Parts: sequence; C-alpha cells; structure tokens
Amino acid sequence: EMQLVESGGGLVQPGGSLRLSCAVSGFTFSDYYMTWVRQAPGKGLEWVANISPDGSAQSYVDSVKGRFTIFRDNAKNTLYMQMNSLRAEDTAMYYCARDRDWNYDYWGQGTLVTVST
Amino acid sequence: QTVVTQEPSLTVSPGGTVTLTCASSTGAVTSGHYPNWFQQKPGQAPKALIYSTSNKHSWTPARFSGSLLGGKAALTLSGVQPEDEAEYYCLLYYDVPQPWVFGTGTKVTVL
Repeated sequence: EMQLVESGGGLVQPGGSLRLSCAVSGFTFSDYYMTWVRQAPGKGLEWVANISPDGSAQSYVDSVKGRFTIFRDNAKNTLYMQMNSLRAEDTAMYYCARDRDWNYDYWGQGTLVTVST
Repeated sequence: QTVVTQEPSLTVSPGGTVTLTCASSTGAVTSGHYPNWFQQKPGQAPKALIYSTSNKHSWTPARFSGSLLGGKAALTLSGVQPEDEAEYYCLLYYDVPQPWVFGTGTKVTVL
C-alpha cells in the first residue's frame, strides 16, 4: 500500500524556520519526482517545489525561492523541505505528492504550518 | 506569471452532467500541458482523478472523464452523484521556470 506521511508542521514566529518531512512506503522512492503542494486556509492549492529522483534538480515557485529548500534522502525514503525566513503568508497545510511521469497520483494527508506571533 | 483559470462555481442536479474547464493565460491548453484533475472535499487531502488529459486512475469512477475542449482542459461529470459535491482543481505543466501551476478551483454543488 502506498503511503506518504507528512510531519514537522507547527506554530512558528515570523522569521523562524521549520523542516517538514514526508516519509514514504509502498513504492521505490528513488524512482520518482516528488513535490510539495500547499493550501492556505480557505484558499486553493499552490504548487511549491519539486525534486528529481536523484535529488540533483529542484524547482520552486517564485514566492519561496531563496527561503525554502527541497531535498531528499533516498536511503531513508524521506522527502524534506527546509523552510527559513517564514512569513505569515506561508501559513498553510503542506502536502507531499508523488509525480509519476506527469501524473500526480498519491498524496499525503498534510501537515499544518502556522506562522504567527 | 502564469495564471490557470477555472469556473469559480457550478451547480448540477443529481443525475445530470456538468463540464468544468481549465484555461491557461499563455494560450491554448494542449496535451503537452499534461492536464491533471483533482477532487478535494472539506478537511481532506486532494484526490487524483485524471492525468495526461484523459487517463483515469484505477480508483476513478467511470462517470468522470477528461478531454481538451476549445483550447482548454475539461473535466466532465456524467450522472452526477451527491458525493461528487466537492472542489475540483486542474494542474498544468509548463516546464521552466516553474514546472506546474494549479488552477483556481471550481466548487461543484449538487442540488
């Protein structure tokens, strides 16, 4: 059974940092692009970042460039996102998803990040 | 900045048919945008329905179908069920610099 389980969310002050994790099982993690998607409260989905199967290539939405870093540990079957210089507008549910040849098939249940004083 | 636009809301009667569309600010949507469609119900993660324009996942009900229609990606729900009431999002591929962009979402009400 495919499973993606996010963790690491929480309450953080503006300017602070968090590291999100996405632990996967049920498929060969190192074969797939992986993606982070977020959803602010009451808003739509926003594509945030993705990473190639070997971790050598990453892409980001403009609003997080220079602040967020996506990376992966294929030996641990885990995807990460290091989030620095957090802003109130980064408050959202963060989902990880598998990209199988332009096909976003499996998603986690999300982890909530709240940036507030 | 690329914008992908969907109808904000649509209402359909049970058993009816409704078509949602997904338009790109850069021009016509083609198969090269690899349109994906997702369903999201309140408090739940998105669920994949369609990929690469018209391909269904093993769990996608037969009443959902994807296509290209008039320069847009389209999702058609035929024989709508009450449980189809949800928010629907499309996702398009643009390569560089930002590979993927979600649509604005369509809230489908079954009434």
